[in-house]
Amino acid sequence: AQSVTQPDIHITVSEGASLELRCNYSYGATPYLFWYVQSPGQGLQLLLKYFSGDTLVQGIKGFEAEFKRSQSSFNLRKPSVHWSDAAEYFCAVGGALNAGKSTFGDGTTLTVKP
Amino acid sequence: DAGVIQSPRHEVTEMGQEVTLRCKPISGHNSLFWYRQTMMRGLELLIYFNNNVPIDDSGMPEDRFSAKMPNASFSTLKIQPSEPRDSAVYFCASRTGTGIEKLFFGSGTQLSVL
Repeated sequence: AQSVTQPDIHITVSEGASLELRCNYSYGATPYLFWYVQSPGQGLQLLLKYFSGDTLVQGIKGFEAEFKRSQSSFNLRKPSVHWSDAAEYFCAVGGALNAGKSTFGDGTTLTVKP
Repeated sequence: DAGVIQSPRHEVTEMGQEVTLRCKPISGHNSLFWYRQTMMRGLELLIYFNNNVPIDDSGMPEDRFSAKMPNASFSTLKIQPSEPRDSAVYFCASRTGTGIEKLFFGSGTQLSVL
């Protein structure tokens, strides 16, 4: 079975500080990994995805994530957080198993302090 | 609460046929979202409603797709005529308010257009 764990329910960082959101997954084959952001009043937006190749992927809004197979992790990072980054972030895993249907983590809520 | 309910769970149809997907949001939720998920593109927002009113349908791929929400407890996504490239998993999600409230997903409809 595939599963995703986001260990941090809520994270607070100061504006300008660096950010890392953790994501651990379980998947029985080569995973496809995604990070989504849900901003206030908006639906989910894809930040970045990993299928294969370079394990460090760049996304929109200055985010990046690193796939570490040995740790079954796909952590999301940003060097300097902006107040507009306050949102809920979801990690998801999918792939060829289960017809490509993704499994989502429970999300991490990010609060940005001035 | 039964959660967000989608039907059918699976739909197999022939190209050119009309397909109707159904969603019952969680009672009391006033925002409803339709997403399409494929392995390569991840989750894409098609349309969302606030208080039964369509707010943003810019994600609807083309005129063959239409969505309605006649009341607070029911929504449909229709594809007419369907094409093989419409094959995907379609998710409905709902939540309260317009802030960073948790988004609740249905279990999805796996659509295969032959």
